[in-house]
Amino acid sequence: EIVLTQSPATLSLSPGERATLSCRASQSISNYLAWYQQKPGQAPRLLIYDASNRATGIPGRFTGSGSGTDFTLTISSLEPEDFAVYYCQQRSTWPLTFGGGTKVEIK
Amino acid sequence: QITLRESAPTLVRPTQTLTLTCTFSGFSLTTSGVSVSWMRQPPREALEWLALIYWNDEKYYSPSLRSRLTVTKDTSKNQVVLTMTNMDPVDTATYYCAHRCSRTTCYGVDWLDPWGQGTLVTVSS
Repeated sequence: EIVLTQSPATLSLSPGERATLSCRASQSISNYLAWYQQKPGQAPRLLIYDASNRATGIPGRFTGSGSGTDFTLTISSLEPEDFAVYYCQQRSTWPLTFGGGTKVEIK
Repeated sequence: QITLRESAPTLVRPTQTLTLTCTFSGFSLTTSGVSVSWMRQPPREALEWLALIYWNDEKYYSPSLRSRLTVTKDTSKNQVVLTMTNMDPVDTATYYCAHRCSRTTCYGVDWLDPWGQGTLVTVSS
C-alpha cells in the first residue's frame, strides 16, 4: 500500500499570503496524484488531478507540481474561501490512498 | 450534471450490518469507463477509501476491510450499494460516494469527481 505523507499538518497564514503544501509518496507514483479541498461540513472537492491539471472551475491561484514521490500544491495568494483542509490522493496502485491532510488556517 | 447522494441509517448497533446506498444521476453505470467509489471519514480525521465498482462489475476493496465489505450496483435504479458487516464504534464516520471516469467513452476525469454530500453513520449501543 502506498502511504502519502502530507506536511505540514497545519499551516497558519494570512489572506494574501502564499501557501505551499507538500505530499510525499512512499514509492514512485509517476504523476498519478490529485489534490482535494474540504471545507467544514462539506464533501471534498477535486482541485488538481494528474499532479498539475486544474479541475473545472478551479481558480488559477491553485497550482500543482511534482512527480515520482514529491508533490506540491501552491496557493499563490490566499483568499478567505481557501482556508480549508487539503488532501492528496494517489491512483497509481490499489488500494487508492489519501494523505493525512493539511489544514490551512487563518493566522 | 452529475450528482450523487448517500443514504443510510444514522444509528447502527455494534455487530450489525450497515447498508449504504449511493443514488446518482447524470451518468450511467453501464457506460464503459465509469465507476463509483466509497470513502469514509471519522469525525475530525482523514479520508479513507473503501471500495470501487466499475461499469463491468469489476470491484476493488480496501485490503484492511476486504472481509467486511461488499459493493454491488443496480443499474436500473442508478444505485450502488455498499454493505459493511460487524459494525463497531470505530466505524463511526461520514460515508461518501464519488464518480470516476476512466476512459474517453465517459464524461469526466479519472479521479474522484464529484462527491456526494456524505452521510453520517454512528455506531453505538
